[in-house]
Amino acid sequence: EIVLTQSPGTLSLSPGERATLSCRASQSVSSNSLAWYQHKPGQAPRLLISGASGRATGTPDRFSGSGSGTDFTLTISSLEPEDFAVFYCQQYGSSPITFGQGTRLEIK
Amino acid sequence: EVQLVESGGGLVQPGRSLRLSCAASGFTLDDYAMHWVRQAPGKGLEWVSGITWNSGTIGYADSVKGRFTISRDNAKNSLYLQMNSLRAEDTALYYCAKDKATVSLRYFDYWGQGTLVIVSS
Repeated sequence: EIVLTQSPGTLSLSPGERATLSCRASQSVSSNSLAWYQHKPGQAPRLLISGASGRATGTPDRFSGSGSGTDFTLTISSLEPEDFAVFYCQQYGSSPITFGQGTRLEIK
Repeated sequence: EVQLVESGGGLVQPGRSLRLSCAASGFTLDDYAMHWVRQAPGKGLEWVSGITWNSGTIGYADSVKGRFTISRDNAKNSLYLQMNSLRAEDTALYYCAKDKATVSLRYFDYWGQGTLVIVSS
């Protein structure tokens, strides 16, 4: 099973700042099969990125994904008030599908 | 508009069974793989199980293998999760999620609002 470790656990930033979230895999993720989700309390999770860097339909271009192999990054170029939430990475290159433990992005 | 509506959650005693359902609309169910993902109170997301369009490929997390069974009825636009031998650690909000793919288990582009399962005596 591929273990995904996200860092930091909590990130405190202000609107307008740049956010960088990390997701590290315990072994190489096949074909960069990595997705990112945003999850707000009381709502369903929302797909942001698939294939490590492909934005899902409706994902604003301030969100970008990068990385390959075992190291992946989600970057939010300039934080908007609605961006604050918990973010999860998920790998689908190997069975079983696994999620990271999440990074909480909070308003400073 | 894609809609996924879960039902069947509730309070159940340890060792008992429960069956969750997910009603899908706004898309053709048999064009996509489907999944169950859960979130325990205060915890992160955990993939539970997935099933391809024709049930040809089915996967389970190790934590539920042998106790949970996923199934689908494309004619009824429905996904199911039969949960047996329930444990306290199965307490969670269970989400139904649509895959982007048809013939493999990949990632989730639409999610329902979830149904809450509480396992307690």
